[in-house]
Amino acid sequence: AQSVTQLGSHVSVSEGALVLLRCNYSSSVPPYLFWYVQYPNQGLQLLLKYTTGATLVKGINGFEAEFKKSETSFHLTKPSAHMSDAAEYFCAVSDRGMYGGSQGNLIFGKGTKLSVKP
Amino acid sequence: NAGVTQTPKFRILKIGQSMTLQCTQDMNHNYMYWYRQDPGMGLKLIYYSVGAGITDKGEVPNGYNVSRSTTEDFPLRLELAAPSQTSVYFCASNGDSNQPQHFGDGTRLSIL
Repeated sequence: AQSVTQLGSHVSVSEGALVLLRCNYSSSVPPYLFWYVQYPNQGLQLLLKYTTGATLVKGINGFEAEFKKSETSFHLTKPSAHMSDAAEYFCAVSDRGMYGGSQGNLIFGKGTKLSVKP
Repeated sequence: NAGVTQTPKFRILKIGQSMTLQCTQDMNHNYMYWYRQDPGMGLKLIYYSVGAGITDKGEVPNGYNVSRSTTEDFPLRLELAAPSQTSVYFCASNGDSNQPQHFGDGTRLSIL
């Protein structure tokens, strides 16, 4: 069964500093991986996704993530944090069927709250 | 372009009351989902639907029921509200199971 572990429930960085949010997954089939962002009192918005192909995935707002199969990781990075990046970030893996089709159900990590200091 | 719309946005219930959380999408998506979000726990799947007339249980279905009579609507029903059901509920949809899910803004439910 698939699972997701996000390391660090809270991460604090200074404005302009590197953002690194860690995500490790467990999956018995090649995974589909996602990062979502949630701003206060809002729903989740997709930042980026990995399905197949290039392992470095670029998303919105300058974020990117790299799929590393050997490390079972999908860490999210941004070179320079902005105050508007303060939010909660969720890593998710798709509950794919055994024969390659995706059921479409997402297994979410517990989330990482990012704070950005001026 | 409304996307996924959830109503109400906030609700307070007494223990034992029942209510229906409404979710509608205007993107003609086949797949719809209900999640609950509790602090520090991420999102847990309650029920999902792969098309009109088809629903299935997720990870935490106890105490909830759903129906999917149309493509657009996927209501979530609480029959006998319990304090453990205090949470934020999110509805989501996608047109293909490999596509990203689109989320509504959530319903904040308190049961006292």
